Amino acid sequence: DVKVTQSSRYLVKRTGEKVFLECVQDMDHENMFWYRQDPGLGLRLIYFSYDVKMKEKGDIPEGYSVSREKKERFSLILESASTNQTSMYLCASGRGDGQPQHFGDGTRLSIL
Amino acid sequence: QQQVKQSPQSLIVQKGGISIINCAYENTAFDYFPWYQQFPGKGPALLIAIRPDVSEKKEGRFTISFNKSAKQFSLHIMDSQPGDSATYFCAASMATGANNLFFGTGTRLTVIP
Repeated sequence: DVKVTQSSRYLVKRTGEKVFLECVQDMDHENMFWYRQDPGLGLRLIYFSYDVKMKEKGDIPEGYSVSREKKERFSLILESASTNQTSMYLCASGRGDGQPQHFGDGTRLSIL
Repeated sequence: QQQVKQSPQSLIVQKGGISIINCAYENTAFDYFPWYQQFPGKGPALLIAIRPDVSEKKEGRFTISFNKSAKQFSLHIMDSQPGDSATYFCAASMATGANNLFFGTGTRLTVIP
């Protein structure tokens, strides 16, 4: 079974802090994704990566950056956390070309 | 701008009934349409997917109906069970490259015994 592991289930941070969310997949997938999930808005793509050190902006990249130094690991960085970034963050991986994406169980992030 | 529109937002169905969730899209380049199921505290998991070369796909009690000309697709859950209570997301993408998914806003299904 594909496993996508997010490092924290719950995280509480303060406004202005730099926040790191980590994601690891064990299936050698080329593509990795970061989404945020908010009630009534569904899942919105923040960034994705199609190869090591490669990244592309999604629909809502403002206030976020990403890092992919190794194929299995994809990090989401909130440069200076703000309260409107309080959300559920979901990481996913996939082979692309019509193959399914596999999701982690999410990190619920609260910015106070 | 929502690329995939999903309705209803919530749905309550009696055990044994049929649950129907509808989605519509605008981008005619989309050619891969998955449905994801999400239980509380878990990430979404692929339930069933369809490509536009067929009008229907069935897996057990779950069926996707696809209408290419209307740019609509729907999920039917037959003989709905309390264990089907979850949030369902439709999505669409182009089945090439990284396969970025555009998600609907979700439908919260409650099946009452």
